[in-house]
Parts: sequence; C-alpha cells; structure tokens
Amino acid sequence: NAGVTQTPKFQVLKTGQSMTLQCAQDMNHEYMSWYRQDPGMGLRLIHYSVGAGITDQGEVPNGYNVSRSTTEDFPLRLLSAAPSQTSVYFCASRESRGAEAFFGQGTRLTVV
Amino acid sequence: RKEVEQDPGPFNVPEGATVAFNCTYSNSASQSFFWYRQDCRKEPKLLMSVYSSGNEDGRFTAQLNRASQYISLLIRDSKLSDSATYLCVLGDKLVFGAGTILRVKS
Repeated sequence: NAGVTQTPKFQVLKTGQSMTLQCAQDMNHEYMSWYRQDPGMGLRLIHYSVGAGITDQGEVPNGYNVSRSTTEDFPLRLLSAAPSQTSVYFCASRESRGAEAFFGQGTRLTVV
Repeated sequence: RKEVEQDPGPFNVPEGATVAFNCTYSNSASQSFFWYRQDCRKEPKLLMSVYSSGNEDGRFTAQLNRASQYISLLIRDSKLSDSATYLCVLGDKLVFGAGTILRVKS
C-alpha cells in the first residue's frame, strides 16, 4: 500500500537553483494538493488540482509551478529557489472534495 | 481574519486528564470538518471526522456548533501517546488551522 509517495525526503539547494519535488499517488484520487509548513504557521496551500489537466493557485503560489498530466502525478517546481522557501513540503490526495486527505511523508527543503 | 483559528497551546496535562480543544472557522458555508493529528516531523493523519450530531471514537469526542462556528475535540483519559499537534481542518477546501500542541506528562 504505497498511498502518497514524495521524493526526495531531504534536499539542500543554493539560492537561484531550480528543482522539482515529486508526488505520486496510487489511489486513483482526483484531488491533489501541495502544502508548505513553517513553524507556527500550520499548513498553507500552494497549488491544487481537481483532476488531470486542471490546476489552480492556493494561498501561497508565488515561486512555484505545478502541472497535472496524469491522475497519479503532481510535481511541484521551484523556479528559482530563495531562502524564504526553506520549509517542509507535503503533498496530499483525496478522492473528492470534502473527503479525507492522505499525505506523503514530506520533503524537508533548505535553501542556502 | 484567518479561515480557521486554534489556540496554539501548548496544553500540558497529566496522564489520565481530560482535555478539550476548540477551533473557530469564519466561512459559514463550510460543510465538512476534520481533526487531524500530527506527530513531530511527520505527516498529518486523520484522527476523526466531525459530524453535525457529534461523534465519538473511543476516548475522543468531536462536536460541531454551526451557530457559533466552532468545532471541538475532547480527549478523555489522556495517554502519553496522545502527545502531538492537533489540527482543525475545513474539509471543503482542505484549509488547516495552525494546530494545538498537546503534551501529556506522567
């Protein structure tokens, strides 16, 4: 039972570098989301998708891009990393709006 | 105003105590609500859904008050293993509160 798989688990980037955080789910869920979690801030929504080919911005989208070419995969791209993007990133999927969400184990990103 | 607000705590309680957390939300149209639990440096996991009639799961009871726009979580007979951060969640848009820290001490 893989559920939601995120890679990598840890990453250190230099300011200005780009990278892609991977997220894959094997539950055939339509809804997928990316969050970042900073101390004392809770989880803040970056981008979300309600199905293949459909994405939308969340609360804190600046500096990030997403695409959803398949139901299974929802990668998050950092275009030009900044120290302010140092955070823990979680990917989540759920069957439908209002349903329980399942999370990946998170990616701990440090930008120096 | 934040969509979901929680008292960050921490709540420090002895084993066996009863503890309650409240969470308020601003969108009166919200239809689904959850409590999630998050252990240190781990991903959030569903603790329980919150239904209009209230619901119980073992030592945990969740209540929804639509008129006052708050939900609550009651934990009875606290265990050391209950120590975690408890996240209040609006299920429609999956909006999370900042979490309430619970520390249960022996």
